[in-house]
Amino acid sequence: EVQLVESGGGLVQPGRSLRLSCTASGFIFGDYGLTWFRQPPGKGLEWVGFIRSKVYGGTTNYAASVKGRFTISRDDSINIAYLQMDSLKTEDTAVYYCTRVRITLFGVVSWFDPWGQGTLVTVSS
Amino acid sequence: EIVLTQSPATLSLSPGERATLSCRASQSVSNYLAWYQQKPGQAPRLLIYDASSRATGIPARFSGSRSGTDFTLTISSLEPEDFAVYYCHQRSNGITFGQGTRLEIK
Repeated sequence: EVQLVESGGGLVQPGRSLRLSCTASGFIFGDYGLTWFRQPPGKGLEWVGFIRSKVYGGTTNYAASVKGRFTISRDDSINIAYLQMDSLKTEDTAVYYCTRVRITLFGVVSWFDPWGQGTLVTVSS
Repeated sequence: EIVLTQSPATLSLSPGERATLSCRASQSVSNYLAWYQQKPGQAPRLLIYDASSRATGIPARFSGSRSGTDFTLTISSLEPEDFAVYYCHQRSNGITFGQGTRLEIK
């Protein structure tokens, strides 16, 4: 069974950093890209960014709202993707989800499925 | 950025009734449109992809269709577990979601 489990969320002050993890199982991790989404409380879904597989250089793309502050990385040896969040703002408060997807150099070529259960990040003083 | 506009914002129906949810794209997305279901406290679940293909394990009462830049999710006969929020999503150009339609019990 394909599974993705996010962890690392919590309460953090504005301006501080937090690192989320996405632990995968049930599929060949290195064959897929990993994508992060977020959902502020009571609101809709927003794409955060993704990382390609090593076949495509492990390169990343980010939403404008987080570019320069967030960094996605991966460790294929232990099937984990990370979302490093720096200079956090109150508007970054959300549940953060990871999903697997196939991404080539030209973009996303499959659908986002399945999703992890999410981890809540609260940015507040 | 491609904007997806869902309507209605809230749909109140009874079990057994037919539900029709709409999603309009601001420009062509071809068939690169999917529908997700989200229940409270849960992650989104893929229902329909490529506008009209059901994802694995999705009941046949769920169907999707396309007419130009207008997309429709139809639930033929509502079951109690179908009351949730539904999002449309496109990956034709960038990655965007509609604002969601809340399907509630009447």
